[in-house]
Amino acid sequence: DTAVSQTPKYLVTQMGNDKSIKCEQNLGHDTMYWYKQDSKKFLKIMFSYNNKELIINETVPNRFSPKSPDKAHLNLHINSLELGDSAVYFCASGQAGSPLHFGNGTRLTVT
Amino acid sequence: QKEVEQDPGPLSVPEGAIVSLNCTYSNSAFQYFMWYRQYSRKGPELLMYTYSSGNKEDGRFTAQVDKSSKYISLFIRDSQPSDSATYLCAMIINSGASKIIFGSGTRLSIRP
Repeated sequence: DTAVSQTPKYLVTQMGNDKSIKCEQNLGHDTMYWYKQDSKKFLKIMFSYNNKELIINETVPNRFSPKSPDKAHLNLHINSLELGDSAVYFCASGQAGSPLHFGNGTRLTVT
Repeated sequence: QKEVEQDPGPLSVPEGAIVSLNCTYSNSAFQYFMWYRQYSRKGPELLMYTYSSGNKEDGRFTAQVDKSSKYISLFIRDSQPSDSATYLCAMIINSGASKIIFGSGTRLSIRP
């Protein structure tokens, strides 16, 4: 059973398109995150939801909109995709004071 | 200055060597420290999680925290080719904080 699963694994799309990434966790955690990892492997937090409530919203273009329908799911919708959005997007979940558990990432390529 | 600094490598050592990976940080409020291992095309997986200054050992891995110097290390003994991965340090300010700050990762290669 995969603890944190995200789909799709790969996403190739053209500039200007809108796309969504989905994430689900079966660990019973209250908090879920989206991280962006660039080509140099730097992991940068984008958003965090605690029990469906947005608690961290880093400096991210408003083309990125997260949605948490329940505490086990966190989706990321991206409008008007740009070349610079190409990266690996990781979903993670955790509890306060505990380390994060990561999914295997969605590799987004914008052409 | 970044909050967490980590040498990106790459670091290449022969099988069986002792590996030392390090991070420095600038914010003395960091209290919880972690090391993650990330294989190619996979998500980061937790290796070690420590709170206080001192050493914590788990098998071939030892995590060391020196809060006075704002310096953390991960030692790998008897390194194996399967240890080849990117290692990321991470830290949290307090137990209730949701924001975990990551280092940029060190790429490690163990030569058979």
